Amino acid sequence: ETGVTQTPRHLVMGMTNKKSLKCEQHLGHNAMYWYKQSAKKPLELMFVYNFKEQTENNSVPSRFSPECPNSSHLFLHLHTLQPEDSALYLCASSQVPAGGLIDTQYFGPGTRLTVL
Amino acid sequence: KQEVTQIPAALSVPEGENLVLNCSFTDSAIYNLQWFRQDPGKGLTSLLLIQSSQREQTSGRLNASLDKSSGRSTLYIAASQPGDSATYLCAVTGNQFYFGTGTSLTVIP
Repeated sequence: ETGVTQTPRHLVMGMTNKKSLKCEQHLGHNAMYWYKQSAKKPLELMFVYNFKEQTENNSVPSRFSPECPNSSHLFLHLHTLQPEDSALYLCASSQVPAGGLIDTQYFGPGTRLTVL
Repeated sequence: KQEVTQIPAALSVPEGENLVLNCSFTDSAIYNLQWFRQDPGKGLTSLLLIQSSQREQTSGRLNASLDKSSGRSTLYIAASQPGDSATYLCAVTGNQFYFGTGTSLTVIP
């Protein structure tokens, strides 16, 4: 396995379902991110984990719940989603130095989520 | 808050043409600027990264420039090929990434 992997690649769920997205990075990085990509909009940063601690939550609704059990794995738990949550969800990782400024991020292929 | 704009939103050119994609940002206090490529339904692949102290970077047929004072960057693609068809995103970084909406490029054989 190389880089950043995400599963599943496609997910269709009803509004009452509970599902989870998984991300795994094989790069030895110390930070991981969840982004939402909707049509015609910029990528929206949702959550940031740095050394397994959540350092950023950009006003994301509570129906999205992240989990970072270790520096290589990141989950996004989904429950009672709305149709407008349908989007491509991208995971990324990076190595953040002590100064906190990011050099580059490596992205996974994304999970295409459709909420019916 | 940093805002990143990309023009045009879509571009269609015949194979072999040289082309320029534009990116502008509102806050010049950036750490670096990065250009990514995204194929349909896929993640992002980094193409070029320009540190804030640099003016340009080149990789093969790609050349990216940065003018921090005016808040602009351009991505120049020489001798375009059908395989260049994708969405191109620019992002500026500080303590997080701020992305533009992208330019969707189609190169017609």
